[in-house]
Amino acid sequence: DTAVSQTPKYLVTQMGNDKSIKCEQNLGHDTMYWYKQDSKKFLKIMFSYNNKELIINETVPNRFSPKSPDKAHLNLHINSLELGDSAVYFCASSPREGQVGNEQFFGPGTRLTVL
Amino acid sequence: AQSVTQLDSHVSVSEGTPVLLRCNYSSSYSPSLFWYVQHPNKGLQLLLKYTSAATLVKGINGFEAEFKKSETSFHLTKPSAHMSDAAEYFCVVIDMFSGGYNKLIFGAGTRLAVHP
Repeated sequence: DTAVSQTPKYLVTQMGNDKSIKCEQNLGHDTMYWYKQDSKKFLKIMFSYNNKELIINETVPNRFSPKSPDKAHLNLHINSLELGDSAVYFCASSPREGQVGNEQFFGPGTRLTVL
Repeated sequence: AQSVTQLDSHVSVSEGTPVLLRCNYSSSYSPSLFWYVQHPNKGLQLLLKYTSAATLVKGINGFEAEFKKSETSFHLTKPSAHMSDAAEYFCVVIDMFSGGYNKLIFGAGTRLAVHP
């Protein structure tokens, strides 16, 4: 009965590889997000999708490509991984956009380590 | 642009003593503010939120926060710390933009340590 789930939990890979992280929410929310948390714990939004449509792209390199096959899923594909991509990536979801004060529900995170 | 500043990167308290985690915000309109908690190797959990209703907001696990417009502050408090409160705490403001969409702007976080 997990609300927001991510796979895998840990991902260790070599520089230059391509990898994907999957996210699913069973809350019936319209909006999903990807955040990056760096080694100093700083959290920053990367992308937001509302009903499968991209609404936020925070100047993320185009090596990062989110894909939303339906409103319950938002996957993150990363091409040509670099050392600086090492971080914890969090998926989140929130109810219908446009309502002030909507909280976001976070997944457990995926720790990506690029060697 | 909206922003939050968490004034302490680390706070250390003894079990049973009060907790105060400080947050100041900057906003060009009436803000919506949250506190999230992140336990080690876990995701983020909402502690409480302020959305222009009562200025004293009660959250889970005995935490509360008071919105003070005159001081642009939203400090998080708890009367008596428990060992399980040891975690990273994030103050968050909502940034609204065109189309009615919003995004969360996170502070840098405050690590709370609780000693026996």
